[in-house]
Amino acid sequence: DIRMTQSPSSVAASVGDRVTITCRSSRNIDNWLAWYQQKPGRAPSLLIYLPAGPQPGVPSRFNVSGSGRNFALTISSLQPADFATYYCQQATDFPPTFGRGTQVA
Amino acid sequence: QVQLQESGPGLVRPSETLSLTCSVSGDSISGYYWSWIRQSPGKELEWVGFVHHRGSTKSNPSLKGRASISLDTSKNLLSLKLTSVTAADTAVYFCTRSDTYEDAFNIWGPGTSVTVSS
Repeated sequence: DIRMTQSPSSVAASVGDRVTITCRSSRNIDNWLAWYQQKPGRAPSLLIYLPAGPQPGVPSRFNVSGSGRNFALTISSLQPADFATYYCQQATDFPPTFGRGTQVA
Repeated sequence: QVQLQESGPGLVRPSETLSLTCSVSGDSISGYYWSWIRQSPGKELEWVGFVHHRGSTKSNPSLKGRASISLDTSKNLLSLKLTSVTAADTAVYFCTRSDTYEDAFNIWGPGTSVTVSS
């Protein structure tokens, strides 16, 4: 299985901060990567799937970069609604696998 | 607007079979890939398996053949059966929808919590 490694596991941030989360895959996945946001007690919600772009309604402060094995999700100016846990997921290899999450608190 | 709703027993005894269903409303079940994903108490996400309305299905090899996923298109219902459960199967189980095989999981149900304990 492809291993997805996220860092940091948690980040302390304040409203207005720029926050960057990285995700590294154990093998090349081209751009077959998705990012999810999960709030406590809720299901994960798809933010961005790189081949397709951001989901409707996702604020422009969420930006993604990378290809191959190294990826990043950047929140340009953290808002109160962005305090959550973020997961990356590779979609090209069987089985699909997730990173262990980054909590933005 | 499509909505998914999981349901299940909440508590399952070790070695028994876990059975979950996911009711799909607002759209047809046909034409999509339907997956089960579970989240452990430690918050790790694990893909369990998928089914497509044309009959193809796959499950995570980590489950060693214990998972069976099916669709009832007449009832717009997705099902998961997981046999010989242990405490390691304790998790919140989500049903999800994808548009294609190599696609993200773009719609999720709220999840149903399952505890395996005697």
